[in-house]
Parts: sequence; C-alpha cells; structure tokens
Amino acid sequence: SSELTQDPAVSVALGQTVRITCQGDSLRSYYASWYQQKPGQAPVLVIYGKNNRPSGIPDRFSGSSSGNTASLTITGAQAEDEADYYCNSRDSSGNHLEVFGTGTKVTVL
Amino acid sequence: QVQLVQSGAEVKKPGSSVKVSCKASGGTFSSYTISWVRQAPGQGLEWMGRIIPILGIANYAQKFQGRVTITADKSTSTAYMELSSLRSEDTAVYYCAAQRGTITFGDKPYYYMDVWGKGTTVTVSS
Repeated sequence: SSELTQDPAVSVALGQTVRITCQGDSLRSYYASWYQQKPGQAPVLVIYGKNNRPSGIPDRFSGSSSGNTASLTITGAQAEDEADYYCNSRDSSGNHLEVFGTGTKVTVL
Repeated sequence: QVQLVQSGAEVKKPGSSVKVSCKASGGTFSSYTISWVRQAPGQGLEWMGRIIPILGIANYAQKFQGRVTITADKSTSTAYMELSSLRSEDTAVYYCAAQRGTITFGDKPYYYMDVWGKGTTVTVSS
C-alpha cells in the first residue's frame, strides 16, 4: 500500500493563510479528501474532490492538487481552525484500499 | 442525510474479540459504503476496511487481514466490525464512516467520508 506524508505541525497567525500539504504516489491517480479533527471529536470532512466543500464548511477552506501533492489552504485562519488535519485517498495498489495521511497539527497563534 | 450511531464502549481481555456496531438512520443505507477507521491514543487515523452493504462485499487493509471481519445487515441498516485476537495495541477509538465517491470521465476519481459515527472506545487490558 502507498503512504501519504504530511508535515507534523504548522502554525499560523490569526487571520493569516496556511497551506497544509500531503504527498503520495496515489495522489497522481486520485483526488484527496481532507478531514479536520478536534480533540475528543470525530473527524469532519472539510474538502473533497478537486475543491469541494461540504455544506457548513467555511469558504476559507480550499483544496488543490498538483502531481503527487494535495494541498489544503486556510485563508484567514480563525482560532476555531486549530485542529489536526488528515488527508485521505485510495491507495495505488489497485485493490481499492484507503490510506490516511500522517496528520498535521495546526496551531493558530 | 444519513446519521451513524455506534455501540458503546468495550473493555476486553487480550486474546478475545470485540464486535462494534454502526446503525445508519435518516438516509439510504445502500447508497454508501461503510468504512471503519481507528485511532489509537495520541495517534493518527488508520483505515481498517470497508463494506459495500448492497453487495455484501468487504475489503480490508493488509495490516488487519485475517483478524478483522466487516459485515452489514441491510434489514436493520447496521454495519459491524469484529476484531479478533485482541492485544493491548488494539486499544483505540473505532469509527465508522459513510463513504461516497465520484468518477468523472477525463478527471481523477475521488472518494470521501462525509458522515462519521461518534466513535467507540475499545480498551484491551488484562
């Protein structure tokens, strides 16, 4: 199975922009989905596909993809965006298995 | 939209098995696949496997092959995840998630888990 690699942690000043990246071979074949997880809570889908937001997700969240890298951008980060973020896609084995990224802790300063 | 309600916390002995349920309501069970994802304390998300309820077909992450069984009962819109030969490293929160996907001609496909259960804590301890 393939792996998806993320930076362990990033920080962003309140109101500024932060980009979280996710790298893996499978991202050449599939778009990633992105999940936000706050302590003690279940993950929440924030971005899927090329750049789709579920209902209720603020438009400061956006996604992009290039080659083997998927990115999640928070434009104008808010205190409530402090959380762990995980990317996810099918793996590249052809067996329809899933893989999650290693996760990025976002701290809003 | 579908909602997923999971069974309650479990405490198990090493070597035993646990079976966690995930009941769907408010939507069409057969429209989704159901994935199971676990998270050990302080660790990241780990995909375990999925089932397509309408077909009854399941597939599993290689790590859990032979130890996990995922089933679904269409009559009650409930999915189950059974993990056997439990060890302390299996102590985790286990989530079910409803997954959908889109395949568009000329573009990359994508899949996403847009509804999650609240999680079931499984503690393995002697």
